[in-house]
Amino acid sequence: NAGVTQTPKFQVLKTGQSMTLQCAQDMNHNSMYWYRQDPGMGLRLIYYSASEGTTDKGEVPNGYNVSRLNKREFSLRLESAAPSQTSVYFCASSEDRWRGGAKNIQYFGAGTRLSVL
Amino acid sequence: QKEVEQNSGPLSVPEGAIASLNCTYSDRVSQSFFWYRQYSGKSPELIMSIYSNGDKEDGRFTAQLNKASQYVSLLIRDSQPSDSATYLCAAPFSGGYNKLIFGAGTRLAVHP
Repeated sequence: NAGVTQTPKFQVLKTGQSMTLQCAQDMNHNSMYWYRQDPGMGLRLIYYSASEGTTDKGEVPNGYNVSRLNKREFSLRLESAAPSQTSVYFCASSEDRWRGGAKNIQYFGAGTRLSVL
Repeated sequence: QKEVEQNSGPLSVPEGAIASLNCTYSDRVSQSFFWYRQYSGKSPELIMSIYSNGDKEDGRFTAQLNKASQYVSLLIRDSQPSDSATYLCAAPFSGGYNKLIFGAGTRLAVHP
């Protein structure tokens, strides 16, 4: 059981280049999320998808687009990368039910470390 | 006030001591809280959740929630060097269980 798988693990881009970060989960979760993590700022939500076919903006959506391709996969696209998008990106998924006294526990992938020069 | 606030630390404790990590929150979050541990260069992993007033214990970890004072704490008893990590407090936005807001995290260093 792989959980949440992100690719690539590392990426270096030049300003203006585009790329897509891939995320897949094998836990049959309905909800999926994309976060970015910058030093001293914790995790900030970029976009999320509550179910297949739906997506919504989070705190910091500008400069990003997402696609919920099917229940398993949720991709994040940078159309024109900027140095301000240098960050660590995490994908997460959650099931929409109570478990162990909590609802929507989120499980994270290993992250993608992106540098934009 | 930010929705979820934490002292960035570092919090330094000797091995075997109790580490106390605190988190305050605003009215803009639902009162269901998660503590995630994140080792350097790794992804966050859930260690505790709490939604009722009072204490919840799991092994060496105890989460405490005080709704009147709007703070949630994580106590780590018998701290070990392997507990050295950043601890993230998170809560759902009010009315939206799907979206969590995270604090900036507190870095804990347990020294031998």
